[in-house]
Amino acid sequence: NAGVTQTPKFQVLKTGQSMTLQCAQDMNHEYMSWYRQDPGMGLRLIHYSVGAGITDQGEVPNGYNVSRSTTEDFPLRLLSAAPSQTSVYFCASSHNTGELFFGEGSRLTVL
Amino acid sequence: GENVEQHPSTLSVQEGDSAVIKCTYSDSASNYFPWYKQELGKGPQLIIDIRSNVGEKKDQRIAVTLNKTAKHFSLHITETQPEDSAVYFCAASTDTGRRALTFGSGTRLQVQP
Repeated sequence: NAGVTQTPKFQVLKTGQSMTLQCAQDMNHEYMSWYRQDPGMGLRLIHYSVGAGITDQGEVPNGYNVSRSTTEDFPLRLLSAAPSQTSVYFCASSHNTGELFFGEGSRLTVL
Repeated sequence: GENVEQHPSTLSVQEGDSAVIKCTYSDSASNYFPWYKQELGKGPQLIIDIRSNVGEKKDQRIAVTLNKTAKHFSLHITETQPEDSAVYFCAASTDTGRRALTFGSGTRLQVQP
């Protein structure tokens, strides 16, 4: 039982490049979400999904896309990376208890 | 939307002392208040949570109190140990956390041996 798995752990991009952060969970959780963590700002919600085929925007969705074709996977796409997207990204999943289970994070640097 | 403020941003205590971290929230409809602990290089992990129908909850050395009238809640850690050193986040939600948690900015706790 791996929990929430994020790949890659580290990535460096140039401005304008695109990439996808992968997130997979093996706990059959219906709810999945992406947060970004910046110094002094806590964790801010980017996008979330309450089930396969259903996604919605969080607090800071601009510049990011998501899709949820299966219960297990919830990838986060950066369409045209900008230096302001330099951050640590966390994927999380939960069942209906409310407890979020986080992955170990993906550190992204945009030059 | 919801706004959660957390204080202090850093806290240093001696081993065995108590530590208190305080949070305030803005949305009176919030009904779920979890606390997460984040160790270096790891994702946050839930340590305790409280729902709006309860004023206090304890789990061994950790306790959380909630004052809905004043819209603030606090984390209390007693008999602190070096392994309690981490960053702690409070959060609030209107939907038992299933849809969105709004996090505070975090408190870095350092327990001095």
